Amino acid sequence: DAGVIQSPRHEVTEMGQEVTLRCKPISGHDYLFWYRQTMMRGLELLIYFNNNVPIDDSGMPEDRFSAKMPNASFSTLKIQPSEPRDSAVYFCASSFFPPDTQYFGPGTRLTVL
Amino acid sequence: KNEVEQSPQNLTAQEGEFITINCSYSVGISALHWLQQHPGGGIVSLFMLSSGKKKHGRLIATINIQEKHSSLHITASHPRDSAVYICAVSDQNNDMRFGAGTRLTVKP
Repeated sequence: DAGVIQSPRHEVTEMGQEVTLRCKPISGHDYLFWYRQTMMRGLELLIYFNNNVPIDDSGMPEDRFSAKMPNASFSTLKIQPSEPRDSAVYFCASSFFPPDTQYFGPGTRLTVL
Repeated sequence: KNEVEQSPQNLTAQEGEFITINCSYSVGISALHWLQQHPGGGIVSLFMLSSGKKKHGRLIATINIQEKHSSLHITASHPRDSAVYICAVSDQNNDMRFGAGTRLTVKP
């Protein structure tokens, strides 16, 4: 398996634009997690899915953020409209039944100007 | 006070030294994770444990549930071990909480 795949690896956009981050989990994993990492706050869990259903989105910072998982092999994290404070590295991870070992993707470095 | 505290924040060692990174937590957990973040930013899960001790190569992780404390040890450290090591806990609801990380630099 290729591991968790994220795209794009880098995204630079202007404030107010919509940003969509993509994740392909490891085949067979039941759980998918979205994390954000900043210098100020470190790693934070934003949301996680079980069998494509969002289980806990309490970490999503505000309504500008939304996440979907239309099928077992694909998830998106959308920010609309984006703001400079959203600049961070966004990681996707997947696992079998938690709290099993999570496998992280390479991350998407987002810069909002 | 953070629910997951790591120490030290920064650690510099000479190649070959034995290294210990500590993690204390204040919430009930179902598991504790040790993650390694490489200088390039990639994150690798090193261990997931809920009791006792696990070993993988030169890495050893221990946890004491009663004391709410875990340690990550690296034996015979090497410059390629230089990374940020992050402690994370899964609470009873399977929510993850992260420590701030320990930046390890191993000098040749």
